[in-house]
Amino acid sequence: DAKTTQPPSMDCAEGRAANLPCNHSTISGNEYVYWYRQIHSQGPQYIIHGLKNNETNEMASLIITEDRKSSTLILPHATLRDTAVYYCIAITGTASKLTFGTGTRLQVTL
Amino acid sequence: ETGVTQTPRHLVMGMTNKKSLKCEQHLGHNAMYWYKQSAKKPLELMFVYNFKEQTENNSVPSRFSPECPNSSHLFLHLHTLQPEDSALYLCASSQDKGGGRRGYTFGSGTRLTVV
Repeated sequence: DAKTTQPPSMDCAEGRAANLPCNHSTISGNEYVYWYRQIHSQGPQYIIHGLKNNETNEMASLIITEDRKSSTLILPHATLRDTAVYYCIAITGTASKLTFGTGTRLQVTL
Repeated sequence: ETGVTQTPRHLVMGMTNKKSLKCEQHLGHNAMYWYKQSAKKPLELMFVYNFKEQTENNSVPSRFSPECPNSSHLFLHLHTLQPEDSALYLCASSQDKGGGRRGYTFGSGTRLTVV
C-alpha cells in the first residue's frame, strides 16, 4: 500500500470548512484513498473513499487531484464534534488489511 | 452504535489472570479484525479472519489467542499478559477482506489495563 503523509495537526473555527490534505505520491492505479476519523477513545469511523473522481456524502467531500498524488478531505461546516484524528489511507480493493499512520489531529474551536 | 459490539468496555486484569474479549457483528460481514492501540501510537493490526479462517497474524505474541467460531463472532483470549499490553483493543469487520464499499466498521473497543 502506498505511503501517505498528513500534517500532524490542524485547527479550524466552528462553522468554517475544514480542509485536510493528504499526500500519496506513490499511489498505484488500483489503490483507493480512504478517510477515517477517530474521536477520542472510540473506534475509527469510516468517512469516505474514492479512486479517481471527487466524491461527496453526508459527512464530507473528497477531492483527488488529477494525477492522484494528493487529496483533500473537506468537512464543509465543522462542528466541535468533528474534533478527532483523521486518517488518510491508500489501499487496494483486495487488500487484506487496513494500516493506520499517525493521521491529522483536527481541533475545532469556538 | 456502529453495528460492531465489543464487550467488556473496560477490563482490569492481573498478569496471572485469563480473560477474553468478545466482538459481535450482525452486519453480514465476512471479515473480522483485531487491532491494538497503545497510548500515543498508531493502531496496530493484530489478526485478520476471513470467512472464519485466520488469514493474518501480525507477529502477535502467543499470550494473545484469537478465536472466530463463526463470521459474526470474534474472541481474543488473554493469558499471562504484561503491563505493556495495556491498551485499547479494537475489533472491526468488513464485507470482505478488501473492505468493500463502506470500508471497515469498528467497535468502540475494550480498554484493557494489566496490573
